[in-house]
Amino acid sequence: AQSVTQPDIHITVSEGASLELRCNYSYGATPYLFWYVQSPGQGLQLLLKYFSGDTLVQGIKGFEAEFKRSQSSFNLRKPSVHWSDAAEYFCAVGRGNAGKSTFGDGTTLTVKP
Amino acid sequence: DADVTQTPRNRITKTGKRIMLECSQTKGHDRMYWYRQDPGLGLRLIYYSFDVKDINKGEISDGYSVSRQAQAKFSLSLESAIPNQTALYFCATSDSSGQETQYFGPGTRLLVL
Repeated sequence: AQSVTQPDIHITVSEGASLELRCNYSYGATPYLFWYVQSPGQGLQLLLKYFSGDTLVQGIKGFEAEFKRSQSSFNLRKPSVHWSDAAEYFCAVGRGNAGKSTFGDGTTLTVKP
Repeated sequence: DADVTQTPRNRITKTGKRIMLECSQTKGHDRMYWYRQDPGLGLRLIYYSFDVKDINKGEISDGYSVSRQAQAKFSLSLESAIPNQTALYFCATSDSSGQETQYFGPGTRLLVL
C-alpha cells in the first residue's frame, strides 16, 4: 500500500529565509507525486507534480521540488519565503489510473515578519 | 465562477439528524471524491466515483453514503450524524487521463452537537 510521511507538523521561518518541507513516500513502483497548498479557509490547490523525467520540478508561486528515488523523498523548497506563503502544505502520492492519491498529514508553515 | 462548489459552506446539526452535503463541478471531469479533514490527520478518503455508475468506498466510509446524480454532481450523506463526524469536508475532482491531479472545492465545515 502507498503511504506518505511528512515528518514536520509545524515549521516557522522568517520572511525572506529559505524553506524546505520534507516528504517521504512508500510505493512499489515509480509514483506520481504532488504538493498541494491549503490557505486558511480555502480548499487545496496544486503547487506542483512529478510524473517522470526531470527530477527537479518547478511549480507555482516560486516553489520547486526534487524527486529522489534513492531516498524515497520529494521535498518542497523555496529560496525566499513571503508572508503570503503561510499555509498548510500537503504531499500526496498516487499512480496513474488507480485514481486515488494518498495524502500526508500536512505541514503548517508560519512566516515570521 | 468556481470550478468546484460545495453547499453548504458551514452547517451545525444535532446528533441523529440526517444531513446532505452537495458538490457540483463545471470542469467536465469524470472522477469525483469526498474527503474529510481533521486536525493533524490530513485528508482521509470517504468515497470516490470514477463515473456515474461507479462508486467506491474509501478508507473511512462507515456512517456515510453517497449519490452520483450526474457527471457534475456528487452528494455525501450522513444518515445519522454523530459528534465525531464533526470535521471539514472536501469534494474534489480529477480527469480520467491517469494524471490524478485533483481540484478541490472550498470545503464544508460541519459541526455535530
